[in-house]
Amino acid sequence: GQQVMQIPQYQHVQEGEDFTTYCNSSTTLSNIQWYKQRPGGHPVFLIQLVKSGEVKKQKRLTFQFGEAKKNSSLHITATQTTDVGTYFCAGSSGAGSYQLTFGKGTKLSVIP
Amino acid sequence: EAGVAQSPRYKIIEKRQSVAFWCNPISGHATLYWYQQILGQGPKLLIQFQNNGVVDDSQLPKDRFSAERLKGVDSTLKIQPAKLEDSAVYLCASSFYNEQFFGPGTRLTVL
Repeated sequence: GQQVMQIPQYQHVQEGEDFTTYCNSSTTLSNIQWYKQRPGGHPVFLIQLVKSGEVKKQKRLTFQFGEAKKNSSLHITATQTTDVGTYFCAGSSGAGSYQLTFGKGTKLSVIP
Repeated sequence: EAGVAQSPRYKIIEKRQSVAFWCNPISGHATLYWYQQILGQGPKLLIQFQNNGVVDDSQLPKDRFSAERLKGVDSTLKIQPAKLEDSAVYLCASSFYNEQFFGPGTRLTVL
C-alpha cells in the first residue's frame, strides 16, 4: 500500500531560525495536504498542493510539491514560538480520492 | 460555524471490555472519517463514509471494530473487545470537498 515518509522526526530550532520538513511518497500522488497539530490538539488543515512543481506561500510558510508528485516540503522562515507543533503531510492518490495517508510527522520545538 | 464534535473526550477501560465513541460532523459535510492516532505517529484511516455508505474500511480490524453512520449524519465507532494496543486517540473528521476538519478526539486508555 501507499507509504508516506517524513523527515526529520524531530527538529529543535532557536527562535528566528528557519525550519524545513520533507515528505516522500512511495507512489505518485494526485495531491498532498499539510496539517499542523499543536501539543494536545487535533490536526488543522494548512494547505493542499495539486499541480506538479507547485509552490504556495502562506506568510512565513512555503510549501512545494515535487515535479514527479512524489515529494513535498514545508519551509518556515524565521520561526516563532507559535510555530511549535507537529507538522504532517498527507498524500492522496487517485483522481477525486479524498482518502489521505499521513506521514509520521515532524515535531518542531522552538527555543525562545 | 460549529466544528466536529466528539464524545467522550477521555475513556479508560480494561482489556476485553467494550467501548463506543460518538462523532457529530460539521453540518452539510457528506464525508466522515475515523482515524486512529497512536502516540508519536500520524493519524491512520480506519473507515471513510460518504453519507451513510462505507467508501473504505480496508484498515478497520473488523474482528473487533465496527462503525456506523445512520442517516448520514452522526457516527459511532465501537471496539469490542478492546486490547492493550488499542490505546490511542480516535479522531473523527469530516469534509465537504478536500479539506478535512478534525474533532478534538477521544483519548482511549486500555489497561
